[in-house]
Amino acid sequence: GENVEQHPSTLSVQEGDSAVIKCTYSDSASNYFPWYKQELGKRPQLIIDIRSNVGEKKDQRIAVTLNKTAKHFSLHITETQPEDSAVYFCAASNISGGSQGNLIFGKGTKLSVKP
Amino acid sequence: KAGVTQTPRYLIKTRGQQVTLSCSPISGHRSVSWYQQTPGQGLQFLFEYFSETQRNKGNFPGRFSGRQFSNSRSEMNVSTLELGDSALYLCASSPEGPSTGELFFGEGSRLTVL
Repeated sequence: GENVEQHPSTLSVQEGDSAVIKCTYSDSASNYFPWYKQELGKRPQLIIDIRSNVGEKKDQRIAVTLNKTAKHFSLHITETQPEDSAVYFCAASNISGGSQGNLIFGKGTKLSVKP
Repeated sequence: KAGVTQTPRYLIKTRGQQVTLSCSPISGHRSVSWYQQTPGQGLQFLFEYFSETQRNKGNFPGRFSGRQFSNSRSEMNVSTLELGDSALYLCASSPEGPSTGELFFGEGSRLTVL
């Protein structure tokens, strides 16, 4: 089955700096890659996703890149702010037969943004 | 629209007991997925139900089971509880399935096994 590795497990940056979180996946059939943000004591929420037919997607200060050949994808946060502090999870979906794929998550990256 | 609702929010059990957790998805969502969240392991996939059928199952022992009702509400059951089952159990709903778009998570049921 699918396996998703996420690095680093913790990341500390200064406010205004950029943060990069990287994930690799094992199943070459995976073609949907979302990122979720979980603030302390709250539920995970989708922040951005990408499908395998594109290599990059941006949404304001957040971007995700995908390298299908190497089977890795990354989350980039620019101009970090204290409210970006949270645990970030990457995920990959193994699609078989349309909507039947399940979503496998990485173990998470705890991002701390120091003011 | 009401969000995903999980009950109970907190519960304490002892080893050997069993527990049932409930999840009410967003109205109109037919897919419900369950995840176990622990500090060191992140979000581990338990199973996914769609229209009362289990479509996918993660690598958990048979003590973990679930079901989905005709109104899309889902329950998961853990029998013969072990200390290692202490975790936050999250359910998430989506219209058609987790590979098709955003998952909407509930706030979770925090289980403590003593």
